[in-house]
Amino acid sequence: NAGVMQNPRHLVRRRGQEARLRCSPMKGHSHVYWYRQLPEEGLKFMVYLQKENIIDESGMPKERFSAEFPKEGPSILRIQQVVRGDSAAYFCASSPSEGRRETQYFGPGTRLLVL
Amino acid sequence: DAKTTQPTSMDCAEGRAANLPCNHSTISGNEYVYWYRQIHSQGPQYIIHGLKNNETNEMASLIITEDRKSSTLILPHATLRDTAVYYCIVRVALVGSARQLTFGSGTQLTVLP
Repeated sequence: NAGVMQNPRHLVRRRGQEARLRCSPMKGHSHVYWYRQLPEEGLKFMVYLQKENIIDESGMPKERFSAEFPKEGPSILRIQQVVRGDSAAYFCASSPSEGRRETQYFGPGTRLLVL
Repeated sequence: DAKTTQPTSMDCAEGRAANLPCNHSTISGNEYVYWYRQIHSQGPQYIIHGLKNNETNEMASLIITEDRKSSTLILPHATLRDTAVYYCIVRVALVGSARQLTFGSGTQLTVLP
């Protein structure tokens, strides 16, 4: 069973460009979470999605950031008009169910560097 | 979710058991204890979780005190590849709900040759 897949693994953008980060959850998982880890800092929750629905986006910056998880295809985290402060590692996690012992499994991350 | 307290760093000799403590004195009855680790530059890796009984899997053992105010993650035979930041997370698991993980600073475990 393949794990959570993220691509690209590394992404370089110039200020003002758009960054699109993709996450394919584990097979059978319908819940996706995005986390961000700024340099030398801890992981911070950004957004939680189920298929075609945003459940919790309390950790998302109010501007320039958006996320989706369409019925078909991977989840996408989009950052418009990137700035240097967006440089970070972005991790996606997926989970199989809403049960009591729901456990999140993480992908390898996308390292975004904004020049 | 209850707050957790972990030592900032620990060392362990290769081949010996690594015992990583976590205090969660305000834990509630419906909160689980989860452990994740993050090896440098990689995504966090799930290790183990438990409610009140001790748990063991192929990676580690989790010992939770009877009053549930603290727990210890045990790596029975640490290897150099176990060098990582270990996160203890206390989290409510509600039926019908799935919620984010809140990562603290964790414990940097360094396994020494």
